Amino acid sequence: QVQLVESGGGVDQPGRSLRLSCAASGFTFSSYTMHWVRQAPGKGLEWVAVILYDGSNKYYADSVKGRFTISRDNSKNTLYLQMNSLRAEDTAMYYCARDLQSGYNYIAYFDYWGRGTLVTVSS
Amino acid sequence: EIVLTQSPATLSLSPGERATLSCRASQSVSSYLAWYQQKRGQAPRLLIYDASNRATGIPARFSGSGSGTDFTLTISSLEPEDFAVYYCQQRANWFTFGPGTKVDIK
Repeated sequence: QVQLVESGGGVDQPGRSLRLSCAASGFTFSSYTMHWVRQAPGKGLEWVAVILYDGSNKYYADSVKGRFTISRDNSKNTLYLQMNSLRAEDTAMYYCARDLQSGYNYIAYFDYWGRGTLVTVSS
Repeated sequence: EIVLTQSPATLSLSPGERATLSCRASQSVSSYLAWYQQKRGQAPRLLIYDASNRATGIPARFSGSGSGTDFTLTISSLEPEDFAVYYCQQRANWFTFGPGTKVDIK
């Protein structure tokens, strides 16, 4: 069955960096576009970033553009999110999510989600 | 940015009752709208995509309708496991979510 397992969250100070990972199994990872979505404590959902199935294109929410980098290693079935210049408002549960559609024409609906990894940015 | 507004914020109902949740977009999203269910401490689950298509494994009591700016998620008869928060999400212009509707037990 499809599984997505995030790791790498924790507590860090403003201005510091963290790298999140998402290990995928149960499907052909290299065929699917992948996303990061976050949820601040007690708040709603916010899309963060997307990377195409082959890593050829990446797009970001304005709130993280220039600070976060999404990447993937299809040989390791793993998705990453490098988070630099962290801010208090980046505090959230970070979920990796699979796009509903495989291949080049992703459609940005999220059919499988991990359990999330919590990032807390505080001095 | 397309802003999604959901109403009501909270819906208090009893098991067996019908739930009607609304999502309104600040501009047309055509049919590019999805609904998700999130239970406390869990990741969201995709229920409906493209306004009216049920995702794999979703029971028939969940249905979606609408197009343009006004959308509805209907749960025909609430089961105990349906009490949760429901979010709408658009993909017409980047990707944004609504603030959610909490369906709780009356």
